[in-house]
Amino acid sequence: GAVVSQHPSWVICKSGTSVKIECRSLDFQATTMFWYRQFPKQSLMLMATSNEGSKATYEQGVEKDKFLINHASLTLSTLTVTSAHPEDSSFYICSARVGTLNTEAFFGQGTRLTVV
Amino acid sequence: AQSVSQHNHHVILSEAASLELGCNYSYGGTVNLFWYVQYPGQHLQLLLKYFSGDPLVKGIKGFEAEFIKSKFSFNLRKPSVQWSDTAEYFCAVFRGSYIPTFGRGTSLIVHP
Repeated sequence: GAVVSQHPSWVICKSGTSVKIECRSLDFQATTMFWYRQFPKQSLMLMATSNEGSKATYEQGVEKDKFLINHASLTLSTLTVTSAHPEDSSFYICSARVGTLNTEAFFGQGTRLTVV
Repeated sequence: AQSVSQHNHHVILSEAASLELGCNYSYGGTVNLFWYVQYPGQHLQLLLKYFSGDPLVKGIKGFEAEFIKSKFSFNLRKPSVQWSDTAEYFCAVFRGSYIPTFGRGTSLIVHP
């Protein structure tokens, strides 16, 4: 299957700082990228959907000014957690999809963010 | 609101036992259906998918799932589980054009 790479795999940052997470589709061009947050022993919560060259669509309850998403190219999307706080500590996962209907999504390995 | 329900949150089986994990969704339109597996410490991997055609789909590692449209269900099955199947299993529904919804997941533990 296609490969989606996330970087970094884990990051520890101080409260109040910003952290950028990258998501790259290595061998295909992703029409759409999704960003999820996963709490321990829980499902993936969709945070936002981004299409290349346009603004991300955020799910209800997700602060767009706190979680900045940029999808500058068909192979790269970034999630920036601004002014991070301990409650932002979580596992963040990106996913990329080619096309819309009848295509599967491929997942990155996730980024473990710990805010201290 | 659209939702995906996985009724079994925790399943514990012995090796060679049969497995069936339930998945129901509430969206009435066109859907793409997926089962993903997340092994401990690893990322999500696709087990199988249904887009159209034969409602019984076969995936990797001996897993299969059956789409029953009238029941809005896409249950995952495996006739004989192995210790290595211990993992989290997520049912996902991509509805409409591309909006994905995941079930809360089922934790499967297989005792050797």
